[in-house]
Amino acid sequence: DQQVKQNSPSLSVQEGRISILNCDYTNSMFDYFLWYKKYPAEGPTFLISISSIKDKNEDGRFTVFLNKSAKHLSLHIVPSQPGDSAVYFCAASRYGQGGSEKLVFGKGTKLTVNP
Amino acid sequence: NAGVTQTPKFQVLKTGQSMTLQCAQDMNHNSMYWYRQDPGMGLRLIYYSASEGTTDKGEVPNGYNVSRLNKREFSLRLESAAPSQTSVYFCASSEVVTYTDTQYFGPGTRLTVL
Repeated sequence: DQQVKQNSPSLSVQEGRISILNCDYTNSMFDYFLWYKKYPAEGPTFLISISSIKDKNEDGRFTVFLNKSAKHLSLHIVPSQPGDSAVYFCAASRYGQGGSEKLVFGKGTKLTVNP
Repeated sequence: NAGVTQTPKFQVLKTGQSMTLQCAQDMNHNSMYWYRQDPGMGLRLIYYSASEGTTDKGEVPNGYNVSRLNKREFSLRLESAAPSQTSVYFCASSEVVTYTDTQYFGPGTRLTVL
């Protein structure tokens, strides 16, 4: 049973426009969420995170929104740049289960930003 | 500061062969992890080491063994490789094991088992 779902395997946007990547989760106990970015032939790199006590966290061009009632989070990239083309993984964890070894990852969404 | 390094980058094995994937980190992190990523799948945890001297199973440990050699190094061993172990393997580390801790990943080892 997939606890973290990224239902869009791919997304294509024009440079300068907004990219919105979505993530749904089924386990209501999750209370910490992360986004990782992965370029080909490289390992994932941490991008941004959000705690369940917040509904928004912003870092430069990247903003993550959390809707706990809908068990949904989204990553907004504004404006999108060709260098943002990568696979984006959503991940979730929860207090009390142990440590970050219990991160649960989604399958990823491949973002392509066209010049 | 190289971060997390992995060797080799690529490996081809025949069914039944054994090999060890090496991982080292220079960030003085306490915790280290091994993941595998299969096409169309997210990362799945194989084993982790919360601190030097300890190791624990993750989600998919069967067919693998690990050794936390020291604080810097964490190796993953396939004793008898199977085609189902064809995957990309990532090592990661974090300062401590807390549920909000950020993990830092190596570049990966692409393994093919024929």
